[in-house]
Amino acid sequence: EAEVAQSPRYKITEKSQAVAFWCDPISGHATLYWYRQILGQGPELLVQFQDESVVDDSQLPKDRFSAERLKGVDSTLKIQPAELGDSAMYLCASSLYRGSNNEQYFGPGTRLTVT
Amino acid sequence: AQKVTQAQTEISVVEKEDVTLDCVYETRDTTYYLFWYKQPPSGELVFLIRRNSFDEQNEISGRYSWNFQKSTSSFNFTITASQVVDSAVYFCALSEAAQGAQKLVFGQGTRLTINP
Repeated sequence: EAEVAQSPRYKITEKSQAVAFWCDPISGHATLYWYRQILGQGPELLVQFQDESVVDDSQLPKDRFSAERLKGVDSTLKIQPAELGDSAMYLCASSLYRGSNNEQYFGPGTRLTVT
Repeated sequence: AQKVTQAQTEISVVEKEDVTLDCVYETRDTTYYLFWYKQPPSGELVFLIRRNSFDEQNEISGRYSWNFQKSTSSFNFTITASQVVDSAVYFCALSEAAQGAQKLVFGQGTRLTINP
């Protein structure tokens, strides 16, 4: 069964360092999402891509976060510089289409700890 | 603005008991979709069900059932004869059928523990 791949699974970094996460969606899925999930809370959308274009990045802290999906397939989320408050699980999801009736399939996430 | 409330932060029951997880939502749209996801300790969110706002029929899938009531803006999830493997965090989520970007809004989650 096709899955969303994410790496690394765990990342520990010091504050002020740069960190990057990678996501490979299910083959053929045009829409890709990055979520942040703080411990004890539900996921919150950071950025949504349709193919290689950003559709919604209203919740992305653009002073330190950036995301790209250059060829419309895999995607990278970067934080520079990392802050203590960035410690969270970063989840990637994909869906076949952009419509709100489509279920999103999630990857295993990257658990980030900033020290 | 959309909002999803899962008032039960944690639930603990003994195996084989039935358990209901509550979900209440707020939206101004007439067309929207509701979802339930399961998050086991491994961290991956697993899709369980999708329901659109025009379909109020309850749904049953094995030991799982869902009760959607537009009149009370609720979409509750019941597990019958619970098993230890059902232990996880369960999230209810809401998505509006907008022309623009889809935003899935999640509740805070309910941590369900099934004790043997």
